[in-house]
Amino acid sequence: ETGVTQSPTHLIKTRGQQVTLRCSSQSGHNTVSWYQQALGQGPQFIFQYYREEENGRGNFPPRFSGLQFPNYSSELNVNALELDDSALYLCASSLEQGRNEQFFGPGTRLTVL
Amino acid sequence: AQSVTQLGSHVSVSEGALVLLRCNYSSSVPPYLFWYVQYPNQGLQLLLKYTSAATLVKGINGFEAEFKKSETSFHLTKPSAHMSDAAEYFCAVSMYSGGGADGLTFGKGTHLIIQP
Repeated sequence: ETGVTQSPTHLIKTRGQQVTLRCSSQSGHNTVSWYQQALGQGPQFIFQYYREEENGRGNFPPRFSGLQFPNYSSELNVNALELDDSALYLCASSLEQGRNEQFFGPGTRLTVL
Repeated sequence: AQSVTQLGSHVSVSEGALVLLRCNYSSSVPPYLFWYVQYPNQGLQLLLKYTSAATLVKGINGFEAEFKKSETSFHLTKPSAHMSDAAEYFCAVSMYSGGGADGLTFGKGTHLIIQP
């Protein structure tokens, strides 16, 4: 059984650019959540996708957007990058919506210069 | 709304000593609570979870946690620390309230240091 994978591992962007991060869910999982973890902080919930629909969002602006595909893989898109967007972005998948265990990927480290 | 407070950003214990990491929560619904561990440059690994069954929850690597509703606490313990336990530990509460997303609200984390 393959776990949650994310790509790329690291990337560097400049302020104002756009970035797309990718996540492959664990086999059989239809729910994907994205989190932002700033240095020295706990992860913060960005949004969740359930069966290709966004079903909840944390306190993040609309320039953070996402997609979930029929195979339940997912993308996180961030437009108009700001310096404060520098963080570790974590993807987590779960079997179904509703308080099930979330399995985390290793994350993508984004640096905005 | 849900929130989590972890007391102590850094905790240092000697190898073989008791580990106690503190977590207090606030939740508008009966909570589901989780402890995760994060090693450097890695994602999060679930240690244990409370889902309204037994109040004493046993997890991996010898860790356990006790849910105390009256104290709104879910402290993590391990009887004897190993060097390999050195990591960042996060307490989290589920946001799920019967509909919508079941994202997690995390505490700020506690860095566990093991002294030889």
